[in-house]
Amino acid sequence: KAGVTQTPRYLIKTRGQQVTLSCSPISGHRSVSWYQQTPGQGLQFLFEYFSETQRNKGNFPGRFSGRQFSNSRSEMNVSTLELGDSALYLCASSWTSGPTGDTQYFGPGTRLTVL
Amino acid sequence: QKEVEQNSGPLSVPEGAIASLNCTYSDRGSQSFFWYRQYSGKSPELIMFIYSNGDKEDGRFTAQLNKASQYVSLLIRDSQPSDSATYLCASRPTSKIIFGSGTRLSIRP
Repeated sequence: KAGVTQTPRYLIKTRGQQVTLSCSPISGHRSVSWYQQTPGQGLQFLFEYFSETQRNKGNFPGRFSGRQFSNSRSEMNVSTLELGDSALYLCASSWTSGPTGDTQYFGPGTRLTVL
Repeated sequence: QKEVEQNSGPLSVPEGAIASLNCTYSDRGSQSFFWYRQYSGKSPELIMFIYSNGDKEDGRFTAQLNKASQYVSLLIRDSQPSDSATYLCASRPTSKIIFGSGTRLSIRP
């Protein structure tokens, strides 16, 4: 079974631009979560989608948004990029959501560099 | 603030020895716990998950959970150089998973 895929793997943008990242979950998984990872802040939760609905949201500004499609694929968008948005963006999928939801499996990530 | 705390390390362990990684969590509502391994420049990969108090063994890895003490640990037996990585502990009190900052483990020959 194919794992979680993310595209693109690398991106270079300049301040003020916007970016869209894509995530395809493991086949059959309906929950997709997004994380930002930086050396200083570690792995920070952005949001989770389940059956096209946002189930939970982390403490990030409104410039960060996401959506999920009927085939469970998800996209996240960052508008008006700032230097501090440079990070590894990770997507993770699981069968279900909730506190007893099963394990999340991570994709390879998208490395975003903002110049 | 709900948190998962880990010692950042680095933890240096001789090859062949047992590596012990520890984690505490603050939300008593957490029901599931995970250990991920992350190599530099790579994404986290799942090692083990545990839901019930006690020990859970998988090959060289043993996860231990003590909900009364809000404590999770990971033991790695017969440590190998390939075990050198950052180990992330995570809990799941709601639909989102909360990660610790990770412990860097170094296995010295």
